Amino acid sequence: DQQVKQNSPSLSVQEGRISILNCDYTNSMFDYFLWYKKYPAEGPTFLISISSIKDKNEDGRFTVFLNKSAKHLSLHIVPSQPGDSAVYFCAATLSGGSYIPTFGRGTSLIVHP
Amino acid sequence: KAGVTQTPRYLIKTRGQQVTLSCSPISGHRSVSWYQQTPGQGLQFLFEYFSETQRNKGNFPGRFSGRQFSNSRSEMNVSTLELGDSALYLCASSFGTAQETQYFGPGTRLLVL
Repeated sequence: DQQVKQNSPSLSVQEGRISILNCDYTNSMFDYFLWYKKYPAEGPTFLISISSIKDKNEDGRFTVFLNKSAKHLSLHIVPSQPGDSAVYFCAATLSGGSYIPTFGRGTSLIVHP
Repeated sequence: KAGVTQTPRYLIKTRGQQVTLSCSPISGHRSVSWYQQTPGQGLQFLFEYFSETQRNKGNFPGRFSGRQFSNSRSEMNVSTLELGDSALYLCASSFGTAQETQYFGPGTRLLVL
């Protein structure tokens, strides 16, 4: 049973437009959420995170929104650039548990020039 | 600061053989986690070692094992390889506390023929 779900396997966006990647989770005890970006033949790299005490966190072109009541988070990339083309993984952790992130299956983002 | 390193980067084995993968974490990190990535399955957690002890374990058969040395370097072993073990094996390191980021290595691509 997937506790972290990324229901869109892929997303295609035009350069300069907004990319919105979505993630849903089922465990209401998750209290820390992360997004990772992965290029082919490389390991995932940390992008941005958010604690459950916040509903928004920004870092340059990247913003993560958290809706705890809906158990939903999203990553917004504005403006999207061709170099953003990668697989994006959403992950969630439980401070009172193992600290090991539970990952979604990823969304492949393609940004067209 | 050097990142997480994994060796070898690529490996080809045949069914029934065994394999050992190595991971050197970021200096000062005491937690090393291993993940298996296959197409469409995201990152599947194998196990985590913290201060030479297995602290967490995922849902993989006993053919998958690991260990951690006093310098925090970790090895993962897969015995009696099966075709389905073909995957990218990723290692991640961290300080091993709540609400922190894991840093991933580039992975070892294993192909079982």
